[in-house]
Amino acid sequence: GENVEQHPSTLSVQEGDSAVIKCTYSDSASNYFPWYKQELGKGPQLIIDIRSNVGEKKDQRIAVTLNKTAKHFSLHITETQPEDSAVYFCAATRALYGNNRLAFGKGNQVVVIP
Amino acid sequence: DADVTQTPRNRITKTGKRIMLECSQTKGHDRMYWYRQDPGLGLRLIYYSFDVKDINKGEISDGYSVSRQAQAKFSLSLESAIPNQTALYFCATSEEGAGELFFGEGSRLTVL
Repeated sequence: GENVEQHPSTLSVQEGDSAVIKCTYSDSASNYFPWYKQELGKGPQLIIDIRSNVGEKKDQRIAVTLNKTAKHFSLHITETQPEDSAVYFCAATRALYGNNRLAFGKGNQVVVIP
Repeated sequence: DADVTQTPRNRITKTGKRIMLECSQTKGHDRMYWYRQDPGLGLRLIYYSFDVKDINKGEISDGYSVSRQAQAKFSLSLESAIPNQTALYFCATSEEGAGELFFGEGSRLTVL
């Protein structure tokens, strides 16, 4: 099955700087890659996703890039703010399989220092 | 009101006790899931259900059972709780296929 690795496990950034979290996946047929944000005491929430027919997707200060050849995808957060402090999970699956085969990474703790 | 509601939010119990975690949703989704979250291990799928009559085991189903009482309700049971089932449990829903999961706020279970 799919195996997803996230790096680094913890990331501290100064407010206003950029944060980048990288994930690698093992199944070359995976084609759906979501990112979830989990704030303290809450459930994960989808912030952005990408499908393998595009290499990059942006939504305001958040972007995701996908490198299918190298089998990795990254979350980019620009102009970080204190409310960006959270745990971020990446995941991957073949869209045909659906969410029940979604493999999550172990999560990255992002700390934005005011 | 939350779209996906879990009860209880926190529970402390003893080894050997039967525990039920309940989930209800107002999203109108057919697909519901139970996940377990442990520190440093991410989210792992316990059980999932595509509709009331369709229930499937996930990655880590041993020691757990589920019941889909209605489209909107999906319960997770631990028949005889053990300490290594201490974890944060999440219920989620989705529409068909691979797309957004809508998570509840979690149920923290401690087994002594």
